[in-house]
Amino acid sequence: DAGVIQSPRHEVTEMGQEVTLRCKPISGHNSLFWYRQTMMRGLELLIYFNNNVPIDDSGMPEDRFSAKMPNASFSTLKIQPSEPRDSAVYFCASRFQGNYGYTFGSGTRLTVV
Amino acid sequence: QQQVKQSPQSLIVQKGGISIINCAYENTAFDYFPWYQQFPGKGPALLIAIRPDVSEKKEGRFTISFNKSAKQFSLHIMDSQPGDSATYFCAATPYSGGGADGLTFGKGTHLIIQP
Repeated sequence: DAGVIQSPRHEVTEMGQEVTLRCKPISGHNSLFWYRQTMMRGLELLIYFNNNVPIDDSGMPEDRFSAKMPNASFSTLKIQPSEPRDSAVYFCASRFQGNYGYTFGSGTRLTVV
Repeated sequence: QQQVKQSPQSLIVQKGGISIINCAYENTAFDYFPWYQQFPGKGPALLIAIRPDVSEKKEGRFTISFNKSAKQFSLHIMDSQPGDSATYFCAATPYSGGGADGLTFGKGTHLIIQP
């Protein structure tokens, strides 16, 4: 099992550019979560999906953020336009619904300059 | 999201000592309390977890103590080793018939074990 796979590992972009982060959950897991980690705010839940359907996006900070899960094996988190305050590490995690065993990816470190 | 308060923010312990990290929560609907360990450049990894039907759970050198009435839980690391140096996060989530909700995390504790 390759675990939760996130890409890219690092992203540096200029303010105003569009950024797309990608996640491949563990095969068979039907819940997927996007988290953001910063020194000031810690780990924050942005949005989660069950069976590819967005359940709660109340953690998405602004309309500039959007997430999709077109199928069970792929999800994207898009920021458009990006701003310096979006700089953080973004984690994707997956789980089989009904099981509490969340598995996190290694994260994408985003730097917006 | 309901808050989970974690303390201390940082902790230095001598090798062989006991590391203790505390968390408190507000939401009485929380029904699952995991601890995660994170090394630099890595994602959080599940270390140990507890449900409120027990007051203590032990796995090797790691023990969770849970006080439902006080809405507090803590992680004890016995015989702390330099390899335990990492950031530790407590978390909580309500049980909703399928565990459909995301985790609410504490702010983390940066633990350093001195040789």
